[in-house]
Amino acid sequence: GAGVSQSPSNKVTEKGKDVELRCDPISGHTALYWYRQRLGQGLEFLIYFQGNSAPDKSGLPSDRFSAERTGESVSTLTIQRTQQEDSAVYLCASSRQDPQYFGPGTRLTVL
Amino acid sequence: GENVEQHPSTLSVQEGDSAVIKCTYSDSASNYFPWYKQELGKRPQLIIDIRSNVGEKKDQRIAVTLNKTAKHFSLHITETQPEDSAVYFCAASNRGFQKLVFGTGTRLLVSP
Repeated sequence: GAGVSQSPSNKVTEKGKDVELRCDPISGHTALYWYRQRLGQGLEFLIYFQGNSAPDKSGLPSDRFSAERTGESVSTLTIQRTQQEDSAVYLCASSRQDPQYFGPGTRLTVL
Repeated sequence: GENVEQHPSTLSVQEGDSAVIKCTYSDSASNYFPWYKQELGKRPQLIIDIRSNVGEKKDQRIAVTLNKTAKHFSLHITETQPEDSAVYFCAASNRGFQKLVFGTGTRLLVSP
């Protein structure tokens, strides 16, 4: 079946602008995760949604970052007032339990 | 919280040799340990995972071993091939439906 999809694949924005990144999980996967991967680095956890439970936001680096998920479907990650240090690949993953399956990521470049 | 360390950061081997990547974790409650392979510009792909109720798991040329007492786990690739060249990440979590804490990655280069 279809895997995790993300859009856009690339986003170039100017410092100070807001951006919205989208993730479509695998159908039937109740858990959805966002990670950030800076160039040449590992993956940093940002936020996790599980069903109707309150999301685990413990990885969000600042209050400029927020995310929403509608039921068990699409999620959007919003970064307000982008900074150059926000430049990274933002990866979404979904799971039924284990393992997590990743999307192709959105490469964000903040000029 | 959980902390995962991974070594080496880079590993160069000749085709046909074996490669071993090691990770240690800090949280004794962690019980799920996946390994992901990431080719340049691509998404991480799961290659093997292990749960804490077993000590070893094999899938063709790939094996993972887990030592719960020492809190470390390792990835073993035998008969390496150039297409094994990629960055490999280990990760840990303390049960299903939990965030993964990743190691910093190992860049494996397999030379023909």
